[in-house]
Amino acid sequence: GAGVSQSPRYKVAKRGQDVALRCDPISGHVSLFWYQQALGQGPEFLTYFQNEAQLDKSGLPSDRFFAERPEGSVSTLKIQRTQQEDSAVYLCASSLAVVGGYNEQFFGPGTRLTVL
Amino acid sequence: GQQVMQIPQYQHVQEGEDFTTYCNSSTTLSNIQWYKQRPGGHPVFLIQLVKSGEVKKQKRLTFQFGEAKKNSSLHITATQTTDVGTYFCAGPEGGYQKVTFGTGTKLQVIP
Repeated sequence: GAGVSQSPRYKVAKRGQDVALRCDPISGHVSLFWYQQALGQGPEFLTYFQNEAQLDKSGLPSDRFFAERPEGSVSTLKIQRTQQEDSAVYLCASSLAVVGGYNEQFFGPGTRLTVL
Repeated sequence: GQQVMQIPQYQHVQEGEDFTTYCNSSTTLSNIQWYKQRPGGHPVFLIQLVKSGEVKKQKRLTFQFGEAKKNSSLHITATQTTDVGTYFCAGPEGGYQKVTFGTGTKLQVIP
């Protein structure tokens, strides 16, 4: 498939557990974004990568959240010592980042995280 | 920080009626994007507007960017049940592609 894929699609964690969420962007897409979407809300920005460089992590809620994209392709969002308030859908999006052109973001299906 | 608000929050319409959602930004935008999210799905890009006063159409959907580039609207003519979902506007923040999503308008179409 040519779209953005995410895994796992669903994750149930006990409070205090660490989780790792994976995102495979569209091949060749320079920009990669992570968003958190609570039920009934719009996506909230977490962090942004341009290739392997994390240019903005201002949206990460706490130092328990960590994201990486070591080779400029696949990205992982890690949440340490999960709390109930971390329960949400985590969306990954990628974009070609054509300067002056469309900035269409292609979203993956998301990972629904439930922390018990 | 930048805030992007949408009204209404919810809208129920009878199939065949028109629908409009309005988007307002606290700051001037270089461009505005619109996304649709079906229930249980993920946001899907609809369109991007760049020019002041720009109007674009996609079949029954009409998108408009305000003259001051701080507001935008999406109008759907003769709604169909396939239009059900939440419509988000999104405006860029900073010098790159980070966007702030609006609060969204959830559309329900009654057959």
